[in-house]
Amino acid sequence: DAMVIQNPRYQVTQFGKPVTLSCSQTLNHNVMYWYQQKSSQAPKLLFHYYDKDFNNEADTPDNFQSRRPNTSFCFLDIRSPGLGDAAMYLCATSRDLIPYNEQFFGPGTRLTVL
Amino acid sequence: GQQLNQSPQSMFIQEGEDVSMNCTSSSIFNTWLWYKQDPGEGPVLLIALYKAGELTSNGRLTAQFGITRKDSFLNISASIPSDVGIYFCAGYNFNKFYFGSGTKLNVKP
Repeated sequence: DAMVIQNPRYQVTQFGKPVTLSCSQTLNHNVMYWYQQKSSQAPKLLFHYYDKDFNNEADTPDNFQSRRPNTSFCFLDIRSPGLGDAAMYLCATSRDLIPYNEQFFGPGTRLTVL
Repeated sequence: GQQLNQSPQSMFIQEGEDVSMNCTSSSIFNTWLWYKQDPGEGPVLLIALYKAGELTSNGRLTAQFGITRKDSFLNISASIPSDVGIYFCAGYNFNKFYFGSGTKLNVKP
């Protein structure tokens, strides 16, 4: 089935140790998004790619970076994770920005920072 | 920034009851989406709305895009235990989606 896949589902890292989360999609969608979600809160958009164009949210810390080497894959790099970065990280895709902009989410990666 | 007010924050209902939740904003949105999220999982898209006044159903779920484009509601009829979860609305304008804070639904068998 076409879907959004995130690996790993659970990631444990140490304070300050770089970590990479991955997302892949078989939907052939143009747009890929990364969200951070903390417990019982709404997802918070970090950035998105429209094809190869990267769009950063103004309040996304520099500690968070992203790469999209091709249509199918997108990576979230956290350069120096702090305790406050422990969260669920959600990848989502949409066919376009408007009008076909309904977003489909992956299952998420739960990040623990020790 | 844009703000979506989603209510109620939580609901405790009996199996078989109907449920209604809504999102309102002071801003106009071009798209409304409704999602359900189970613990430890990503949000699952339930209904997408694109036109003011649009009423769309998906099984026992019905959602409407408010005529003023500033609000949307989601109804669930004849609730069942597997409806338990957090429901999020999301409104789109200015090139991004803004999420409501979620409605936590609890269903007693």
